[in-house]
Amino acid sequence: AQSVTQLDSHVSVSEGTPVLLRCNYSSSYSPSLFWYVQHPNKGLQLLLKYTSAATLVKGINGFEAEFKKSETSFHLTKPSAHMSDAAEYFCVVSGVRNTDKLIFGTGTRLQVFP
Amino acid sequence: GAVVSQHPSRVICKSGTSVKIECRSLDFQATTMFWYRQFPKQSLMLMATSNEGSKATYEQGVEKDKFLINHASLTLSTLTVTSAHPEDSSFYICSATRGRDRGRSLQFFGPGTRLTVL
Repeated sequence: AQSVTQLDSHVSVSEGTPVLLRCNYSSSYSPSLFWYVQHPNKGLQLLLKYTSAATLVKGINGFEAEFKKSETSFHLTKPSAHMSDAAEYFCVVSGVRNTDKLIFGTGTRLQVFP
Repeated sequence: GAVVSQHPSRVICKSGTSVKIECRSLDFQATTMFWYRQFPKQSLMLMATSNEGSKATYEQGVEKDKFLINHASLTLSTLTVTSAHPEDSSFYICSATRGRDRGRSLQFFGPGTRLTVL
């Protein structure tokens, strides 16, 4: 069965410092993995996705994530946080094989302090 | 491209009434649409999968008679919350796929509808 675990419910960083949001997954087949961001009362925006191509995936707004099969991880990073990065981040794994269902993690709230 | 809209963005209703939420793909044909529910400060839970012209497939624990889904065209799906009660208050989000590559298609999300039942 597919599942995803976000290890931190809250992460706080200072503006200009690196961001690390952790995600581990469980999958019975080669999964697709995604990171989405949700700003307050807004829809979900795709940051990046992994679909079995390059293991290091670059996304929008300077974010990137590395797929590590040996560690079953897909952590999201950014070298330098910006105030506008404050939001809820969801790690997502593809659900039932050959469908487009998604399984969402519980989310990580990122706070950025000046 | 790939814009999904929802209407209304916010609705308040009295207990016992029914509320309809629309989800539209504005610039593409959506072969599949998904409906999610998000409780405050929690993750998204898939409620149902909707394919154009066929009955929706509901996830375990979701009452299909309570949450009526209609996918009448390739650009419109509706979710009707029937006889709404305060516990139905939530943020409802839809998404749509182009369906060109089943199992690998990207979901495009709408902005969500906040339902408050008094």
